[in-house]
Amino acid sequence: EAGVAQSPRYKIIEKRQSVAFWCNPISGHATLYWYQQILGQGPKLLIQFQNNGVVDDSQLPKDRFSAERLKGVDSTLKIQPAKLEDSAVYLCASSALRDRANGYTFGSGTRLTVV
Amino acid sequence: GDSVTQMEGPVTLSEEAFLTINCTYTATGYPSLFWYVQYPGEGLQLLLKATKADDKGSNKGFEATYRKETTSFHLEKGSVQVSDSAVYFCALRHNTNAGKSTFGDGTTLTVKP
Repeated sequence: EAGVAQSPRYKIIEKRQSVAFWCNPISGHATLYWYQQILGQGPKLLIQFQNNGVVDDSQLPKDRFSAERLKGVDSTLKIQPAKLEDSAVYLCASSALRDRANGYTFGSGTRLTVV
Repeated sequence: GDSVTQMEGPVTLSEEAFLTINCTYTATGYPSLFWYVQYPGEGLQLLLKATKADDKGSNKGFEATYRKETTSFHLEKGSVQVSDSAVYFCALRHNTNAGKSTFGDGTTLTVKP
């Protein structure tokens, strides 16, 4: 089966600019996650969707970050305006069930550099 | 809240050496435990998992046993290869909090020929 697709792979922007990332999960996976991975750290959850509804966005900096998952399939994560500390890899993951026994399938990530 | 603590790296081993990467966790209830591997420029890949106490997860020669009494899930491999060089992440997935996972900060493994 096809994996989780993310684009772009790399993005360099200046601070205060905006940027958007796209994710297409594995077909049929109802749950979609966006994680932020800062260099040298583990992934940190930003937002979780179940179909097209938000389940958990408690760690999303809502003053600058937004995300949507229209029609319960593709998802877009946006940052506006970007700050230097937003430099990180943004990982999208999907899961078939909310069953805790299942792991996630991750995309290759988008590496964002804010200068 | 939930947390995962991994041994700090980097870890450098010679080919065919024995590997142990320690992982301990703090969580309420009975989470599932996972090890993920991340190769350069790629996303995380699920390596193995265990869903209850005393379960042993295994894959590609790697093993880890869910120890509830010590809240640990140490990763082991009897004989590492150069191709095992990667970053390894320990994670838990809780039955509450809508199934979200908490990750450790990763341990970088380098295997030299």
